[in-house]
Amino acid sequence: GENVEQHPSTLSVQEGDSAVIKCTYSDSASNYFPWYKQELGKRPQLIIDIRSNVGEKKDQRIAVTLNKTAKHFSLHITETQPEDSAVYFCAASNLGQFYFGTGTSLTVIP
Amino acid sequence: GAGVSQSPSNKVTEKGKDVELRCDPISGHTALYWYRQSLGQGLEFLIYFQGNSAPDKSGLPSDRFSAERTGGSVSTLTIQRTQQEDSAVYLCASSPKRGATYEQYFGPGTRLTVT
Repeated sequence: GENVEQHPSTLSVQEGDSAVIKCTYSDSASNYFPWYKQELGKRPQLIIDIRSNVGEKKDQRIAVTLNKTAKHFSLHITETQPEDSAVYFCAASNLGQFYFGTGTSLTVIP
Repeated sequence: GAGVSQSPSNKVTEKGKDVELRCDPISGHTALYWYRQSLGQGLEFLIYFQGNSAPDKSGLPSDRFSAERTGGSVSTLTIQRTQQEDSAVYLCASSPKRGATYEQYFGPGTRLTVT
């Protein structure tokens, strides 16, 4: 089955700096890669996603890149703000089944 | 429109009792998922329903756990003879199917505490 690894597990950045979270997956059949943000005590919220026919997608300060050959994808957050502090989960999906990474706790220091 | 809803939001039960957790998916979503999240941990897959197909139960941790989905809509997760290690937040998610991919939307969760 699919195996998703996520790094780093914790990340601290100064406000205004960029943050990068990386995930790798094992099943080349996976074709959908969402990223979720989970604030303390809240539900995971979909923040950006990318499909396997696209290499990069951007939405304001967040972007996701996908390298199908290397089987890895990354979340990039630019100009970080304190409200970006949360746990971020990546996932790889195939045929409706989702496999999640173990999460990255991001802290943005004002 | 309305999102995924779950009830109750909090449940405290005594060890050994049975509990039922309810999930109302987004209308029209064909796929429904249950996950468990212990404090500070990641998302543990439990079960996946897709349309009228047999559910994928591969994540259920023991035979004390079961789930059903009636009429392709509402789902109930049942935990029998609850144990303290069952304490966690139980999250439900639903997905439409867009082409070959599924976008997943989560409910607010049910926080289960077994005393």
